[in-house]
Amino acid sequence: GQNIDQPTEMTATEGAIVQINCTYQTSGFNGLFWYQQHAGEAPTFLSYNVLDGLEEKGRFSSFLSRSKGYSYLLLKELQMKDSASYLCAVRDHNTDKLIFGTGTRLQVFP
Amino acid sequence: DTEVTQTPKHLVMGMTNKKSLKCEQHMGHRAMYWYKQKAKKPPELMFVYSYEKLSINESVPSRFSPECPNSSLLNLHLHALQPEDSALYLCASSQETGNSGANVLTFGAGSRLTVL
Repeated sequence: GQNIDQPTEMTATEGAIVQINCTYQTSGFNGLFWYQQHAGEAPTFLSYNVLDGLEEKGRFSSFLSRSKGYSYLLLKELQMKDSASYLCAVRDHNTDKLIFGTGTRLQVFP
Repeated sequence: DTEVTQTPKHLVMGMTNKKSLKCEQHMGHRAMYWYKQKAKKPPELMFVYSYEKLSINESVPSRFSPECPNSSLLNLHLHALQPEDSALYLCASSQETGNSGANVLTFGAGSRLTVL
């Protein structure tokens, strides 16, 4: 089975940096995804990690450590529009299912 | 076209009604998915179709019946639903299932279902 944990809520200030952590346990890891979801809207893809290390995409970066079952999403130069839920999702190698974590609701204040 | 289109956006139905949710993509994706999302919860996988064949059914009650008429369309037929089935139903598609980094899911905006 799988277990994916994220903090429920986080707050940050406009212009700051925030790190959203995700820990997971899975019987067969085959990639970790981060999605952003604004209230009432579809999740949108942010990043994908399958090997250890840091993937950078503009203001967003994602890190993976497979040995620790750990990932984080780093958001720099926060903007008000970054207020959203951030979903960590793990693909299981054995079942090929993409399973989502509980999600982290980020609120950015002026 | 890089979108997944879902209709209707909102649906209100009684417990004895029969209705359908529709999903369409024209990205040439061969895998399509139904997820259910309750408020403030993550999406939960319901069904996966791969090359128009049902490959995963997450023990979903039979009052939900998926259908994949062709590679671009995915339907979810609803019958005799319960109030607790009220949720946002998300459709997604990907190039394929399987172990590939290219297998990124693209989601539709969802159909918000209310069962009275």
